[in-house]
Amino acid sequence: QKEVEQDPGPLSVPEGAIVSLNCTYSNSAFQYFMWYRQYSRKGPELLMYTYSSGNKEDGRFTAQVDKSSKYISLFIRDSQPSDSATYLCAMSASGGSYIPTFGRGTSLIVHP
Amino acid sequence: DSGVTQTPKHLITATGQRVTLRCSPRSGDLSVYWYQQSLDQGLQFLIQYYNGEERAKGNILERFSAQQFPDLHSELNLSSLELGDSALYFCASSVAGDGGGELFFGEGSRLTVL
Repeated sequence: QKEVEQDPGPLSVPEGAIVSLNCTYSNSAFQYFMWYRQYSRKGPELLMYTYSSGNKEDGRFTAQVDKSSKYISLFIRDSQPSDSATYLCAMSASGGSYIPTFGRGTSLIVHP
Repeated sequence: DSGVTQTPKHLITATGQRVTLRCSPRSGDLSVYWYQQSLDQGLQFLIQYYNGEERAKGNILERFSAQQFPDLHSELNLSSLELGDSALYFCASSVAGDGGGELFFGEGSRLTVL
């Protein structure tokens, strides 16, 4: 079992839809949770960064962490064609190596 | 533009050859990370350097090596290349050495081994 599991998709939605992207993990030491967006032929860029459990909102994006279920989510409201990209979750532990472990990424396609 | 520069952007070479990938981190960032991204494995951490010293090692093959120079740029050397080494190689940088916080990624070097 991989430490971080993420459905590769693709996930295809119409413009304006609410998108839900998810990751599960097995390492209970993970405390830092991140979502990166990667456009085709580009490097990943950080979208959201959260510590421990709870919700964080930034514009159309909301990140949720449920440590009891080892499950994190990224919600995108009013999705736009420009949101079409691969979304990678990443997480790292505290008290030792902080090197982020990435999920394989979910390919999102928002069609007009 | 993340501020992280990687060269070359594309590289095609043959099995058994050796290549060097170069990375210049963002101004002020002391930490450099190398990741390999392939379709079947996703983004895999290879190695991290902080201010010239190796800080953490991931799934890096013995055929691969890296270093960070006094001007903080880093090079990843891949030798005795195999077909399976074909992948995107990303460099990322951060201010901190503990890996916490935001990593800024370059646009990657696409390696094709024929």
